Amino acid sequence: DAGVTQSPTHLIKTRGQQVTLRCSPKSGHDTVSWYQQALGQGPQFIFQYYEEEERQRGNFPDRFSGHQFPNYSSELNVNALLLGDSALYLCASSPTGTGRLTEQFFGPGTRLTVL
Amino acid sequence: ILNVEQSPQSLHVQEGDSTNFTCSFPSSNFYALHWYRWETAKSPEALFVMTLNGDEKKKGRISATLNTKEGYSYLYIKGSQPEDSATYLCAFAGNTPLVFGKGTRLSVIA
Repeated sequence: DAGVTQSPTHLIKTRGQQVTLRCSPKSGHDTVSWYQQALGQGPQFIFQYYEEEERQRGNFPDRFSGHQFPNYSSELNVNALLLGDSALYLCASSPTGTGRLTEQFFGPGTRLTVL
Repeated sequence: ILNVEQSPQSLHVQEGDSTNFTCSFPSSNFYALHWYRWETAKSPEALFVMTLNGDEKKKGRISATLNTKEGYSYLYIKGSQPEDSATYLCAFAGNTPLVFGKGTRLSVIA
């Protein structure tokens, strides 16, 4: 049973560019959450998708957007990249629910570097 | 802004030592407290999801306690082994999405 997968593993972009990160949830999970982990910080919640809709959103600007597909996989898009967007981006999946009461299953992350 | 604090920030122990660290979180609007272990170059892995005040959970040599009234949880590792070296994250679940602490980085020296 494949766990949560993310692609790409690493990515280097320049300021102003746009990036798309991808996530496939664990089999049987329909809820996907995205987190940003900046250096020296804990993961910070970006948003959560369920039934192809954004269900919850953290304190991130509109430059951060996402999508969930009918097969429950998800994309995170970041427009107009800033140096401060350099971070590890984690995807986590959980069974139906908000993920507050159930453990989240994390992918290995995508390391984004903005130059 | 919700604050989840973990202490210490890092810890070095000898193999065989027992150790513990703390997670402090808001005592209001509590739903659950999560603990995750994150080994280098791997994905964070859930250890416990705790919901009841006074709850104690155990997995092998690792256990955790929860005090929701005063807003803290302890994670204990008995007889630390080199494979326990990892960052241990706690996350507070209130009426907001999960809020993570910065983690405690544990190094177990053989």
